[in-house]
Amino acid sequence: DGGITQSPKYLFRKEGQNVTLSCEQNLNHDAMYWYRQDPGQGLRLIYYSQIVNDFQKGDIAEGYSVSREKKESFPLTVTSAQKNPTAFYLCASSLTGTDTYEQYFGPGTRLTVT
Amino acid sequence: KNQVEQSPQSLIILEGKNCTLQCNYTVSPFSNLRWYKQDTGRGPVSLTIMTFSENTKSNGRYTATLDADTKQSSLHITASQLSDSASYICVVGSGGSYIPTFGRGTSLIVHP
Repeated sequence: DGGITQSPKYLFRKEGQNVTLSCEQNLNHDAMYWYRQDPGQGLRLIYYSQIVNDFQKGDIAEGYSVSREKKESFPLTVTSAQKNPTAFYLCASSLTGTDTYEQYFGPGTRLTVT
Repeated sequence: KNQVEQSPQSLIILEGKNCTLQCNYTVSPFSNLRWYKQDTGRGPVSLTIMTFSENTKSNGRYTATLDADTKQSSLHITASQLSDSASYICVVGSGGSYIPTFGRGTSLIVHP
């Protein structure tokens, strides 16, 4: 059963704590992406990776960090430096790192920080 | 700056009625345009994709049109169902860019 998975679906953390969101894909895609979605707003790009061991900042990378040690995995860490971390986080993957190819999205993780 | 504007922001219709959502873009160069459906609390799912040479594409009750000259697209939903209640997102690729441009989406609510 191919696809892209994110875990957990809901995550609660106290302010000041770092938290890591998981994203795994078995589609053999080279590129992976992290987006943030807030109510009434479009998807905003946090980080993307075109290939293993390489990643680039998106529009709102401050307060976030990523790693891409394996093709299948692209975890996102929300650090305590992120001033407003409560949001819905979406991971996506595509065959290659150009926008010619469709992005497939995971089910999302809703992070609540209090 | 590449931009994608969607209208209306929200729409409420009765079950069984048709509706049309609009997408205007200023992405250049243009490569492709996709419509995604996003159910509440879920990830977006692709409905249609159109390239420069295509002006219409259907997926069941969903029909997308593209006018590359005016840089406009529409998504027409026929005989709406309660399950059509979702956000519909227009996404435009510029060919060779690593990241497409996303619209903010139209929130559709279908009432029984």
